[in-house]
Amino acid sequence: GDSVTQMEGPVTLSEEAFLTINCTYTATGYPSLFWYVQYPGEGLQLLLKATKADDKGSNKGFEATYRKETTSFHLEKGSVQVSDSAVYFCALGTSGTYKYIFGTGTRLKVLA
Amino acid sequence: NAGVTQTPKFQVLKTGQSMTLQCAQDMNHNSMYWYRQDPGMGLRLIYYSASEGTTDKGEVPNGYNVSRLNKREFSLRLESAAPSQTSVYFCASSERTAPDTQYFGPGTRLTVL
Repeated sequence: GDSVTQMEGPVTLSEEAFLTINCTYTATGYPSLFWYVQYPGEGLQLLLKATKADDKGSNKGFEATYRKETTSFHLEKGSVQVSDSAVYFCALGTSGTYKYIFGTGTRLKVLA
Repeated sequence: NAGVTQTPKFQVLKTGQSMTLQCAQDMNHNSMYWYRQDPGMGLRLIYYSASEGTTDKGEVPNGYNVSRLNKREFSLRLESAAPSQTSVYFCASSERTAPDTQYFGPGTRLTVL
């Protein structure tokens, strides 16, 4: 079945460091890929998404490129801030299945 | 514009008690979902409703029931709570089913003693 694997956390970085959170997927169809962010005590909110191969999603300085050849959707940010501290979830959704598959989440802590 | 709202925010139950978690959305979305979030396991789908009048089981439906009361509201019922149902529960909605973007409520933290 479809699945999403993302890197284990927690990831601890200093402010202004470069961030990469790895995400790979397996899917039988042609999924859309998502990154959601969860701040403490809140629900998930969409960070960015990509709907087809080679699409790049971007928002708030975060970027991720849909790589079909490596089945990956890694999240990157050039310079993290303390306010980026949160849990990040990679997810996929495939048309016709009615379901979304979420990774286990990666906790990011940014130190001042 | 409230988005997705959930009540209650926190709840403590004793084993065997019942309760209903309420969810409402004001975005005129067709599809609604209930997830549970447990440490190290991400989000797991309990039930979903692709459109008003339909409901289907997700990955972990045992011990739960749902009602799509109307287009706005989707409730989750625990008939006889068990400690294994201690979790954080999230409701979500989307305009259509996958792969549309989902919008999440703030969650209900449930503890079953």
